[in-house]
Amino acid sequence: GESVGLHLPTLSVQEGDNSIINCAYSNSASDYFIWYKQESGKGPQFIIDIRSNMDKRQGQRVTVLLNKTVKHLSLQIAATQPGDSAVYFCAENRASGTYKYIFGTGTRLKVLA
Amino acid sequence: GAGVSQSPRYKVAKRGQDVALRCDPISGHVSLFWYQQALGQGPEFLTYFQNEAQLDKSGLPSDRFFAERPEGSVSTLKIQRTQQEDSAVYLCASSTGTSGYEQYFGPGTRLTVT
Repeated sequence: GESVGLHLPTLSVQEGDNSIINCAYSNSASDYFIWYKQESGKGPQFIIDIRSNMDKRQGQRVTVLLNKTVKHLSLQIAATQPGDSAVYFCAENRASGTYKYIFGTGTRLKVLA
Repeated sequence: GAGVSQSPRYKVAKRGQDVALRCDPISGHVSLFWYQQALGQGPEFLTYFQNEAQLDKSGLPSDRFFAERPEGSVSTLKIQRTQQEDSAVYLCASSTGTSGYEQYFGPGTRLTVT
């Protein structure tokens, strides 16, 4: 399939290690955030979301942290597996209750065996 | 177990040709979105439908781009007189409600204009 993000920032981690992917957002009024995973040749896949009234949310092997003070979002993946290799995007919803999402530029995660 | 499907998956067009890209959303999803994704970039919003109504087309880059969803299900994105800068992956997404939460994306159509 086609490649996504040939020139994206890349994070390389050893299999089994934890990964941290960061995202800076620009609009302090954004109140909802989503992390997506995009594998080559596929559309973005929802991983986890967080609302602005929370600082942390946990899923299965993933945790999202939100720091509104510095407008920073991070995705932590525990015990990274080869199947986690993909491009990861954060998306922000800039106006409460509306449908318009702004995506960041993405980070490529490479898992080394 | 139908997710969002898009066709064709790949399209090569000569500059100046018209193209039509199809999106089949998840059955019953009210909201449908089109995004354009350039190589190395995140998806960029093009347009939004709520059922058959096109409520927002602010992201369409020019009047050569046209989208429709006449019966509130299948949608078509049409690009007239394609230009090289139109080369990108076009993604469709759908969601159950009207706020766009938890959008489910299709695999995209990669358009290459030569």
